[in-house]
Amino acid sequence: DAKTTQPNSMESNEEEPVHLPCNHSTISGTDYIHWYRQLPSQGPEYVIHGLTSNVNNRMASLAIAEDRKSSTLILHRATLRDAAVYYCILRDVGANAGGTSYGKLTFGQGTILTVHP
Amino acid sequence: DTEVTQTPKHLVMGMTNKKSLKCEQHMGHRAMYWYKQKAKKPPELMFVYSYEKLSINESVPSRFSPECPNSSLLNLHLHALQPEDSALYLCASSPIDRVHQPQHFGDGTRLSIL
Repeated sequence: DAKTTQPNSMESNEEEPVHLPCNHSTISGTDYIHWYRQLPSQGPEYVIHGLTSNVNNRMASLAIAEDRKSSTLILHRATLRDAAVYYCILRDVGANAGGTSYGKLTFGQGTILTVHP
Repeated sequence: DTEVTQTPKHLVMGMTNKKSLKCEQHMGHRAMYWYKQKAKKPPELMFVYSYEKLSINESVPSRFSPECPNSSLLNLHLHALQPEDSALYLCASSPIDRVHQPQHFGDGTRLSIL
């Protein structure tokens, strides 16, 4: 599996935007970029995913560099409830083809986001 | 509230005990997963079931025995565990017929081995 690199921790103030970076210099053409987060005492939660174009949903935006070697998860207005570990994960499109990577999420170390009131 | 329900939430057992963890989902997902998460570490995949059949075993010791009795249930049978097996055990499910559908996680069973 291609590897991702994230900062160990980041801090933000409430109601300010947060930009969480992820480097994935060995990304292949068929890798999708997925983001999950894990709030304290909970299981991981899907946030967003994309391939080449920037993506928006109700939780966040995903900005993908033109060369796809990096991406940024954007929380537009951080709240205290956004304090969590954020994981950037690469998933091969072949993950649903019955191959050995089927369904596999390989979590990196993630970024611990602290939000200050 | 998550759509994947795991029971029990906490479990303490001795090394000679036999216990089971249970996971249930009613979203019609035909892929189900077990992950193990040690403290302050990311989750690590243990098993994947697709259409109630084991499709991936990530070289997990045989003291962990998964079972998928039907499309809604996933069990993890535990026997002769070691103290280093103390961890949070997470269950997840996802659709199987479309690429890149997210996995839905339960909140886990926190297991302590005495």
